[in-house]
Amino acid sequence: SAVISQKPSRDICQRGTSLTIQCQVDSQVTMMFWYRQQPGQSLTLIATANQGSEATYESGFVIDKFPISRPNLTFSTLTVSNMSPEDSSIYLCSVGTGENSPLHFGNGTRLTVT
Amino acid sequence: AQSVAQPEDQVNVAEGNPLTVKCTYSVSGNPYLFWYVQYPNRGLQFLLKYITGDNLVKGSYGFEAEFNKSQTSFHLKKPSALVSDSALYFCAVRAGGSYIPTFGRGTSLIVHP
Repeated sequence: SAVISQKPSRDICQRGTSLTIQCQVDSQVTMMFWYRQQPGQSLTLIATANQGSEATYESGFVIDKFPISRPNLTFSTLTVSNMSPEDSSIYLCSVGTGENSPLHFGNGTRLTVT
Repeated sequence: AQSVAQPEDQVNVAEGNPLTVKCTYSVSGNPYLFWYVQYPNRGLQFLLKYITGDNLVKGSYGFEAEFNKSQTSFHLKKPSALVSDSALYFCAVRAGGSYIPTFGRGTSLIVHP
């Protein structure tokens, strides 16, 4: 199974600023995803990070707010832009290693916006 | 469209007793079903999956789940609960050919000493 390192593990940010979250995988993977987990709620898929092309965003999420990079098959970043308190959440990087395999998750980034 | 229902926000069980965390699903075609566990300040950890084959699936930490096609259920079970099993449990489903699962809202399992 893939080992995923996600940084930072937590941060407290001021309203209006941006935070970039990094996700590093110990092996090349085809599928990388970014999820949001709001307090007391389930996981919501933000986008699929595509290597070498623009990310595929889910309904309700836009590139201007959540720009994503994926320069290679082992690394991706998610930026939360122009933050507001409503962006306070846990952001999770996830990878898929095969059709019959489960997703693997990083430990998440716990973001608090004040 | 695919969906998952975890009807219980919280399950309480005494240590040593059997536990069940319920999950029902809806998906077009054959389901790929998963259970994950999330401990505080951690990401989700994979517990077990059903893709095909035996309806009773065994996974990590002594957990098992039974796939019931007629009831579209995939309940998570453990014969004897431990205090250390206390965590948040997520059921997930996806259709074959899709890499993206839909997650249930999670069930908080609390095991009392």
